[in-house]
Amino acid sequence: SQQGEEDPQALSIQEGENATMNCSYKTSINNLQWYRQNSGRGLVHLILIRSNEREKHSGRLRVTLDTSKKSSSLLITASRAADTASYFCATPISSGSARQLTFGSGTQLTVLP
Amino acid sequence: ETGVTQSPTHLIKTRGQQVTLRCSSQSGHNTVSWYQQALGQGPQFIFQYYREEENGRGNFPPRFSGLQFPNYSSELNVNALELDDSALYLCASSPGQQETQYFGPGTRLLVL
Repeated sequence: SQQGEEDPQALSIQEGENATMNCSYKTSINNLQWYRQNSGRGLVHLILIRSNEREKHSGRLRVTLDTSKKSSSLLITASRAADTASYFCATPISSGSARQLTFGSGTQLTVLP
Repeated sequence: ETGVTQSPTHLIKTRGQQVTLRCSSQSGHNTVSWYQQALGQGPQFIFQYYREEENGRGNFPPRFSGLQFPNYSSELNVNALELDDSALYLCASSPGQQETQYFGPGTRLLVL
């Protein structure tokens, strides 16, 4: 079952603009992560925000977390063509003694030159 | 530091056949997880191995099985392939039960 859902499903912007993607999740979490995937290849970890944090920055990335609304947002500032990719939020849940990541369906971001 | 590697990159099989996918974890990582990603969907957790033991499993039938070796590399085996098994199979490693996972490039499996 999917824990997180990203919104929008697809986003197309011009280079230099900002891109905002949202994620909603269902159960309580101790952290939420964002990953990027280029053209159906492996996922790359972007940023992790813990449940006691409200905002976190990493380079051109800004992530917010609202645990009362069970939602998170990822902002990419000054976007570049190389940012074109699918972006997924992921939350860890327990499965046996394993900590599995559950992903939404992702937001497909296209940055036009 | 070598990242997570997977082989083969692409594979075509026919329904009913068996397949083995391989993964080498990142140096120092003793936990390996496998995910299935259907086209247009997010990855779905198959199972996780820690110190050569399966320690968690998602909603996948027993014909999906795995192994982890003493060097922490891993295999995913799928028996009696079905058309719906066509997907990108991703391996991810992490040191212990660290929350962040490091993904390989994936193996794209097509079942005809």
